[in-house]
Amino acid sequence: NSMLTQPHSVSESPGKRITISCTRTSGNIANNYVQWYQQRPGSSPSIVIYENNQRPSGVSDRFSGSIDRSSNSASLTISGLRPEDEADYYCQSYDASNHRVFGGGTKVTVL
Amino acid sequence: QLHLHESGPGLVKPSETLSLTCTVSGASISTSSFYWGWVRQAPGKGLEWIGNVYHTGSTYYSPSLKSRVTISVDTSKNQFSLKVNSVTAADTATYYCARDTSAPKRGFDFWGQGTLVTVSA
Repeated sequence: NSMLTQPHSVSESPGKRITISCTRTSGNIANNYVQWYQQRPGSSPSIVIYENNQRPSGVSDRFSGSIDRSSNSASLTISGLRPEDEADYYCQSYDASNHRVFGGGTKVTVL
Repeated sequence: QLHLHESGPGLVKPSETLSLTCTVSGASISTSSFYWGWVRQAPGKGLEWIGNVYHTGSTYYSPSLKSRVTISVDTSKNQFSLKVNSVTAADTATYYCARDTSAPKRGFDFWGQGTLVTVSA
């Protein structure tokens, strides 16, 4: 099992805001950067957030990231939900040995 | 623009070796601050990191796969490769190659299109 736990699925209507959590079960969330990837059906993953809260060039500002030390978790928030946001989302970070680790993924459904 | 492309057999027999190559274009694989990695995704499942290689040949492997995996780099061809030994049906997956920004650690910013490898007799 991954040390990064995500909810299996999140559903919401267009125009609404959703937040996907990524809870680190071993180690401190703040000790390593968290990235978020979007994977649309049939496509390769693409990065939407790096270094906890940074957006790559070309990624909509509707996507934002944060970490919460109190819950040892990271979050991806998508505001103004659109049909094209329907995808799987994965968080990714590093373990104590610098191995890359992915969360189990969250399926986002736009109702 | 950076482009990565996976190539290799789409069908491998159980107990044999899976071999894939990733060809990088648009940038040198020898650029510092970047690792080059492999990630796989079993059908209907999530992403699984396999391992990374630096242009010097230095490698990191997933602990769960380390005993069966070798990743190597050929800077003269701007390619890196993956070998997985003693494959079983559980190794059936889409295999992606990707660039991994390591300093600072910013994750996988460019991905290949992926190649499906099926393990079957």
